[in-house]
Amino acid sequence: GQQVMQIPQYQHVQEGEDFTTYCNSSTTLSNIQWYKQRPGGHPVFLIQLVKSGEVKKQKRLTFQFGEAKKNSSLHITATQTTDVGTYFCAGGSSNTGKLIFGQGTTLQVKP
Amino acid sequence: GAVVSQHPSWVICKSGTSVKIECRSLDFQATTMFWYRQFPKQSLMLMATSNEGSKATYEQGVEKDKFLINHASLTLSTLTVTSAHPEDSSFYICSARDPAGAVAPLHFGNGTRLTVT
Repeated sequence: GQQVMQIPQYQHVQEGEDFTTYCNSSTTLSNIQWYKQRPGGHPVFLIQLVKSGEVKKQKRLTFQFGEAKKNSSLHITATQTTDVGTYFCAGGSSNTGKLIFGQGTTLQVKP
Repeated sequence: GAVVSQHPSWVICKSGTSVKIECRSLDFQATTMFWYRQFPKQSLMLMATSNEGSKATYEQGVEKDKFLINHASLTLSTLTVTSAHPEDSSFYICSARDPAGAVAPLHFGNGTRLTVT
């Protein structure tokens, strides 16, 4: 079945360093969504990408959707301690309409 | 924004008992709700899709007789873990889409941490 792979699983950075997490799907996606889950909390929607090659920015966060609509990335510039948490990508299946979550990347930021 | 409320936040029960978890959409109607399960430091696994007024759709490998889902109104879905065992201990999270539609973002409840002793 459809799989969404996300790497790395963990990332420790010094505050101020950049951070990137990558997401790859085994099949073409209808859309990709990104969520952030703080420790002990629930996932919170960040953004959705729908178009091939789409790039969206939210302050220090940059989200990209690949040309083939099979991969995506989230890049955080100059990380802050408030960025700590687990970032999940979730791919929308063109066939089923379901969202398939990646394994998540847990970001730790050292002050 | 869309708010999904989940109750209880945590529950401890004895092996063999049943536990009911409620998921409510507070400011929107949800004909469909989704139930996920999350093990520590792992991803969210879709268990089932709850459909208002009809039977839930379960993912492969999820026992429908063990995880009973009821979606009796447009704002309430319940998940009952029947005859719970320690291996059912997990974080259960419900979600719903607002607006409705296959590409709309999911709004998650706060989750229920179930511990079966």
